[in-house]
Amino acid sequence: DVVLTQTPSTLSATIGQSVSISCRSSQSLLHSNGNTYLHWLLQRPGQSPQLLIYLVSRLESGVPNRFSGSGSGTDFTLKISGVEAEDLGVYYCMQATHAPLTFGSGTKLEIK
Amino acid sequence: EVQLVESGGGLVQPGRSLKLSCAASGFTYSNYVMAWVRQAPTKGLEWVASISTGGGNTYYRDSVKGRFTISRDNAKNTLYLQIDSLRSEDTATYYCAKPFDFWGPGTMVTVSS
Repeated sequence: DVVLTQTPSTLSATIGQSVSISCRSSQSLLHSNGNTYLHWLLQRPGQSPQLLIYLVSRLESGVPNRFSGSGSGTDFTLKISGVEAEDLGVYYCMQATHAPLTFGSGTKLEIK
Repeated sequence: EVQLVESGGGLVQPGRSLKLSCAASGFTYSNYVMAWVRQAPTKGLEWVASISTGGGNTYYRDSVKGRFTISRDNAKNTLYLQIDSLRSEDTATYYCAKPFDFWGPGTMVTVSS
């Protein structure tokens, strides 16, 4: 199975600070069809996950543009440019290139 | 508005069975692959199973093969997950997902004697 390693596991940020989360894959996530099925999700406390970024860098509808994704192959990054209070929660990367679909272990964002 | 609402969870004894349902609305259900994802208490997300649009193709994680059965009724816009021979390690919140832009609120399954 593809292992997704997220760092850091916990992140503490002040309002307005920019932060980045890394997701490294044990295998390239480039599919033979040319797509890279690496997505980012946010799970706020007590809620179900919500999709933020899909296919590495595409912003899901309704998601603020302070969120951005980048990367290729095995190294990916989620950046939040100017953290807001509502951004607290656990961020997960996930891959759907290789079966079985797998998730990273999560990065908990705390607001100072 | 897309809505996914799971039901059928509860407290069950080890070895017993349970059938989860997910009622979908707000989109053309029959056009989409659907999935179940679970989350054990205080743990991360774990994909469980997926099913093709017509239901003819199903996919499972290795640890649930032979015990879990995913199915769908496109006439009723409903997704199911039959769970047999429940184990303590199946204790989790089970989410129905339209991969992966919409998720239901989840239904909790607790396996305990």
